[in-house]
This record gives sequence, C-alpha cells and structure tokens, in this order.
Amino acid sequence: DIQMTQSPSSLSASVGDRVTITCRASQSISTYVNWYQQKPGKAPNFLIYGASSLQSGVPSRFSGSGSGTDFTLTISSLQPEDFAVYYCQQSYTTPYSFGQGTKLEIK
Amino acid sequence: VQLVESGGGLVKPGGSLRLSCAASGFIFSSYGMDWVRQAPGKGLEWVAVISYAGTNEYYADSVKGRFTISRDNAKNTLYLQMNSLRAEDTAVYYCASSGNYGGNNPFDHWGQGTLVTVSS
Repeated sequence: DIQMTQSPSSLSASVGDRVTITCRASQSISTYVNWYQQKPGKAPNFLIYGASSLQSGVPSRFSGSGSGTDFTLTISSLQPEDFAVYYCQQSYTTPYSFGQGTKLEIK
Repeated sequence: VQLVESGGGLVKPGGSLRLSCAASGFIFSSYGMDWVRQAPGKGLEWVAVISYAGTNEYYADSVKGRFTISRDNAKNTLYLQMNSLRAEDTAVYYCASSGNYGGNNPFDHWGQGTLVTVSS
C-alpha cells in the first residue's frame, strides 16, 4: 500500500504570507496526487488534481507541483478564508490514501 | 451537483447499518463513486470505490469482508452496507464522486456526511 506523508502537521502563518505544504509518497506515483481543503464541520473541498492542475473556481493563489514521490501545495498570499486543514491524496492505485493533514492556523 | 448521505446513527458493536447517498445534478451512471470516512478529530480515510457500472469494487483493508459498496443507477443512489461494526468504525462517512480528469480520478464532489457511532 502507498503511504502519503505530509509535513508539517501544523503551520502558523499570517495573512499575506506564502506557505508551502509538502507531501511524500512511499513509492513513485507519477502525478496522481490531488489536494483538498477542509474547514471545521464541513466536507473537504477539491483544489488540485494531477499534482498541478487547478480545479475550476479555485483561486490562482493556490498552486501545486511535483512528480514521482515529492509534491508541494503552495498558497502564494494567504487570505483569511485559507485557514483550514489541507490533505494530499494519491489516486495512483487502490487502496487510495490520504496524507495525515496539515492544519494551517492564523499566527 | 448534489450528494446527500443518509442512514447514519448509533449502532452496537457487531451490528449492521446501511448508508445511502442520493445523487443529483450530474450523470450518476457515468461516474465512479467512493466512500471516505473521518473519525472524530482525525484525518480522512478512503473506504471503498465502485465503478460507474457497478462491475468493479475495491475496499480498504480495514473494512474488507465487512462492508459492501453498491449502486443503483436507475435510482441515482450509492450504498454502503456495513456489517460486523466495530468501535473503530465510528466516523463521519462521506460519499464522493470520482471525476475523470485526464486519467486522474480525484474526489471532485462530496456530500455533507453522515455520522456513524458504534457504541454499546
């Protein structure tokens, strides 16, 4: 099974900051990585697919990169509504798996 | 697109429950569908997937042999039959559609979730 490891597990930042979250797969998965945002009490929201393609309607301050085993999610200029938990997920093969999540908090 | 889960509740260990997910706003019969769960205060865990026609199913090891995913394309409804429930199955269960994005299949739409609590 493929393990997805995110870092950091939590991150404090201020509005306007640039932040990067990393995700490492336990084996090569090409670009079969997706990213989600989840706010308290809500279902996850789909942000990025194929490691770097932005889902329609997602602000351009979000970007993704990587291939193989190492992936990143970057938010170029944090907005108040971006404080949430972020998850990476591999769709390379079943069983699909998520990273453990990165909680982005206001400093 | 709307996905609405139902059927959650309190069940004793060893008991059974069937979750439903009513889909609307898209061509349900053209999409693979998944169940994803989240234990209280924990991260997301993929549970199961079923192909668009219902001919292929895959499960997480943690539920294999106890849970069964199925669908009724005539009713635009996804199901999860959960048997031999354990305390560790306590979670919010989400249904999600598997969009096809150039060969990638992210979970592009999610329901609001239904809470399953396994406790005596």
